[in-house]
Amino acid sequence: AQSVTQLDSQVPVFEEAPVELRCNYSSSVSVYLFWYVQYPNQGLQLLLKYLSGSTLVESINGFEAEFNKSQTSFHLRKPSVHISDTAEYFCAVTMNYGGSQGNLIFGKGTKLSVKP
Amino acid sequence: DTGVSQNPRHKITKRGQNVTFRCDPISEHNRLYWYRQTLGQGPEFLTYFQNEAQLEKSRLLSDRFSAERPKGSFSTLEIQRTEQGDSAMYLCASTGAHIGTDPNEAFFGQGTRLTVV
Repeated sequence: AQSVTQLDSQVPVFEEAPVELRCNYSSSVSVYLFWYVQYPNQGLQLLLKYLSGSTLVESINGFEAEFNKSQTSFHLRKPSVHISDTAEYFCAVTMNYGGSQGNLIFGKGTKLSVKP
Repeated sequence: DTGVSQNPRHKITKRGQNVTFRCDPISEHNRLYWYRQTLGQGPEFLTYFQNEAQLEKSRLLSDRFSAERPKGSFSTLEIQRTEQGDSAMYLCASTGAHIGTDPNEAFFGQGTRLTVV
């Protein structure tokens, strides 16, 4: 079985500061890794994903995450946050079915609050 | 296409009543998933369909819960004899497998918030 641990339930930061949201996973099989973001009053949106290849993946709005197999981690980082990044971030895994997605296993989420 | 649509957005019901939710996935998406999210938790998988076939059900899906996707398009999730513990946000997601889609990107609806009083 797979599990996901997000160690921080809330992360307050000031605007333009760097941020790291931590995610660790547990799985006995190969997995795909995802970060989803949920802005207030909106549905979950895919932020970025790791399937294979380069262990560093990036989103279009400046976030990046690095897959670390030895540490079973997939931490999310941004060097300089904006007020608009305020949202809840969910790390998720799914078993690697070799091309198609199975059901997602989510962490409990981290609420990022960016203050001016 | 307007994305994944869920109705109703909110539902308040008395304990013991039956409720039904609807999900309209992105058209031509062959996979449809149901998740449940309670306060302070991430979404938890309930069940998923590939076209009209229900391929997997979580142990969370008690026998009071039933889901259908009769024509491989929209899906319904019914809860019979609701209990206070059923209060949660019920999320629907879909993924596509045809050319031009990313089978590893799940698109989520905004959810149906159920409150059982």
